[in-house]
Amino acid sequence: QVQLVESGGGVVQPGGSLRLSCAPSGFTFSSFGIHWVRQAPGKGLEWVAFIWYDGNNKYYADSVKGRFTISRDNSKNTLYLQMNSLRPEDTAVYYCAKDRAAAGTSVDYWGQGTLVTVSS
Amino acid sequence: SYELTQPLSVSVALGQTARITCGGNNIGNKHVHWYQQKPGQAPVLVIYSDSNRPSGIPERFSGSNSGNTATLTISRAQAGDEADYYCQVWDSSDVVFGGGTKLTVL
Repeated sequence: QVQLVESGGGVVQPGGSLRLSCAPSGFTFSSFGIHWVRQAPGKGLEWVAFIWYDGNNKYYADSVKGRFTISRDNSKNTLYLQMNSLRPEDTAVYYCAKDRAAAGTSVDYWGQGTLVTVSS
Repeated sequence: SYELTQPLSVSVALGQTARITCGGNNIGNKHVHWYQQKPGQAPVLVIYSDSNRPSGIPERFSGSNSGNTATLTISRAQAGDEADYYCQVWDSSDVVFGGGTKLTVL
């Protein structure tokens, strides 16, 4: 069955960097777009970034543009989120989420999330 | 930027029909997707493209979208339907989520 397993979360100081990874299984990774979505403690869902099936198009929320980079390696079946210049407001559970299509519609599968805490 | 407005909370009696709205400017021209999230769990897609149910989602869940409002309808509400519900659209190259609605089944 479809699974997405995030890793790389942890505690980091403001201004620091962190790289999240997502390991998918149970579907043809190279055929689908993938999102990163985050959820701050006790808050709602916030979309972070999306990458097309082939990596040729990437979209970002204004709140992370210029600081975060989404990428994928289809040969390694892995998705990444490089997070730089982290701020306390970036503290959240980060979900890797599979889109239903190659270029973006809705999310049909979610990982269990990895917690990122930005604090001094 | 595009905004989606949901009521903070909706209550429904057990066995009755709950309606959760999602407001946005001309949202009827967009495809609306709905997610259910229970405490401590990842979200689950319950309706995609306005009114389509993924496999495994009960027929009690339905959706509609017209004008400036999209609606998720849950018929014969059960205790297990108690959760947060989020609507979502694409606006240009951005994904937008509504603020979420907490459904309480009384």
